[in-house]
Amino acid sequence: NAGVTQTPKFQVLKTGQSMTLQCAQDMNHNSMYWYRQDPGMGLRLIYYSASEGTTDKGEVPNGYNVSRLNKREFSLRLESAAPSQTSVYFCASAFTGADTQYFGPGTRLTVL
Amino acid sequence: KQEVTQIPAALSVPEGENLVLNCSFTDSAIYNLQWFRQDPGKGLTSLLLIQSSQREQTSGRLNASLDKSSGRSTLYIAASQPGDSATYLCAVSITGTASKLTFGTGTRLQVTL
Repeated sequence: NAGVTQTPKFQVLKTGQSMTLQCAQDMNHNSMYWYRQDPGMGLRLIYYSASEGTTDKGEVPNGYNVSRLNKREFSLRLESAAPSQTSVYFCASAFTGADTQYFGPGTRLTVL
Repeated sequence: KQEVTQIPAALSVPEGENLVLNCSFTDSAIYNLQWFRQDPGKGLTSLLLIQSSQREQTSGRLNASLDKSSGRSTLYIAASQPGDSATYLCAVSITGTASKLTFGTGTRLQVTL
């Protein structure tokens, strides 16, 4: 039982490049989330998915797109990376209606 | 807009001390409050969850309290150990479905020998 897994662990991009962060969970959770964590700012919600086939914006969605590929997988895409998107990205999942979210180990992204 | 503040930002204590971490939030209409632990370079681990109707939760040496009316929560750690060194984050949820969490900035705790 791997829990929530994220790939890659580290990534360096140049401004304007695109990439997709992958997240998968094996706990049969309905809800999945993407957060970013910046120094001194805590975690902020980018997008979330309450169930397969639905996605909604969080607090800081600009510059990102998401896809809930199936119940297990929720990907985050940066179409044209900017230095302001340098951050640590965390994926989380939970049963809808339950409140404990389970977090992945994070992806550390640097945009030069 | 809900804002969550944690004080202090950093704390260093000798092993064995009891300590209190503070969390405050601006909107008292919360569904629940959670305390998380984050180790360097790692994800978050949920420690305690307090529903809005509860006053406190306990797990081992950890005790979390909630005062909704004053917008405050405390995390009490008894008999601290070096293994408790980590960043502690509190987060509030305003809905029970697809819960969207608002996080504080965290308190970085170091327990010294």
